[in-house]
Amino acid sequence: QQQVKQSPQSLIVQKGGISIINCAYENTAFDYFPWYQQFPGKGPALLIAIRPDVSEKKEGRFTISFNKSAKQFSLHIMDSQPGDSATYFCAVPNTGTASKLTFGTGTRLQVTL
Amino acid sequence: KAGVTQTPRYLIKTRGQQVTLSCSPISGHRSVSWYQQTPGQGLQFLFEYFSETQRNKGNFPGRFSGRQFSNSRSEMNVSTLELGDSALYLCASRSNQETQYFGPGTRLLVL
Repeated sequence: QQQVKQSPQSLIVQKGGISIINCAYENTAFDYFPWYQQFPGKGPALLIAIRPDVSEKKEGRFTISFNKSAKQFSLHIMDSQPGDSATYFCAVPNTGTASKLTFGTGTRLQVTL
Repeated sequence: KAGVTQTPRYLIKTRGQQVTLSCSPISGHRSVSWYQQTPGQGLQFLFEYFSETQRNKGNFPGRFSGRQFSNSRSEMNVSTLELGDSALYLCASRSNQETQYFGPGTRLLVL
């Protein structure tokens, strides 16, 4: 059974600042490690995903940094915008059953003007 | 490419009734998974279907069941509804080369 710890629970960042959300997991897994963005009343939208054989992936203002040995990965949002205000979830695939994702508890991000 | 679609979007039922939710995956995706999202328990995996067979199952009672059709569309059924089944039910699909894409969800309220 995969265990996932996500921090912080909530985050307030000024417009233009960097938002950093962290995720730690227990059991080694080999499939994609995704981050999802969820707005109230909507389903989680895939933001960016990384495979564990890659240490960093960047897509626009969003970057995942992956530390396989420490079993940790983080999401960096550069130049944070008010439209980024949402809840962010990390997810970790289960060993042997990659389609079964275990989710973090979520981080509520608020970007202020 | 169209995303994952789910119907209905909202549903109100009473205790003891049963409900069926529907999901159409992204074209070409053969794996469909279902998740339950509640404020207290977060996002929890229910089960996954692949090529019409249940491939993985989470820790939910047998009242929760599903199936997948030959066109990869999937349905989820909850029988004998309880108040605690009120949740957002999410369907996700994936191909082998990607991670999962979620639909908008079906919000179920059990009264």
